[in-house]
Amino acid sequence: DAKTTQPNSMESNEEEPVHLPCNHSTISGTDYIHWYRQLPSQGPEYVIHGLTSNVNNRMASLAIAEDRKSSTLILHRATLRDAAVYYCILKTGANNLFFGTGTRLTVIP
Amino acid sequence: DSGVTQTPKHLITATGQRVTLRCSPRSGDLSVYWYQQSLDQGLQFLIQYYNGEERAKGNILERFSAQQFPDLHSELNLSSLELGDSALYFCASSVQGGQGEAFFGQGTRLTVV
Repeated sequence: DAKTTQPNSMESNEEEPVHLPCNHSTISGTDYIHWYRQLPSQGPEYVIHGLTSNVNNRMASLAIAEDRKSSTLILHRATLRDAAVYYCILKTGANNLFFGTGTRLTVIP
Repeated sequence: DSGVTQTPKHLITATGQRVTLRCSPRSGDLSVYWYQQSLDQGLQFLIQYYNGEERAKGNILERFSAQQFPDLHSELNLSSLELGDSALYFCASSVQGGQGEAFFGQGTRLTVV
């Protein structure tokens, strides 16, 4: 399975934007980039996914580099509820989600 | 609420015992996945079923088995339990197992003593 690299942890002030980076230099043409997050004591939660173009939804935006070797999850205004571990995952077709270690986001009030 | 229901929420059992974890997927979802999350291993994919058939296997021990029933609910059976099997077990479901999002349950916390 293609590998992703994320920082172990990041901090953000409440109500400020957060940019969570992910490197995936071995991504293949058929890999989609998925982001999930896991809040404390909960199961993982889907955030967003994309292939080549930038994507927006009610939770976040996903910016994908032109060469697709990296991507950035953008939370436009961090809230305390956004404190979680964020996972960047490459997924091909019906293959499963293989979770790495993710980035632990701390939101400072 | 993801729509995926896992029971029980907590389970405490002794080494050597056998337990069954149950998962009811979201209505209409054909794919069910099982994951194990322990402190030192992170989220590990165990197994996937699609419409009653096993589709993919991950790091699932031979002591563990699963099945998906005609009503699409799934059970994960863990036998000859060891202390190291203590973990959170998550079930997820998705419509077809493609690029769509997967919905995770709240997990079953298994403690083996």
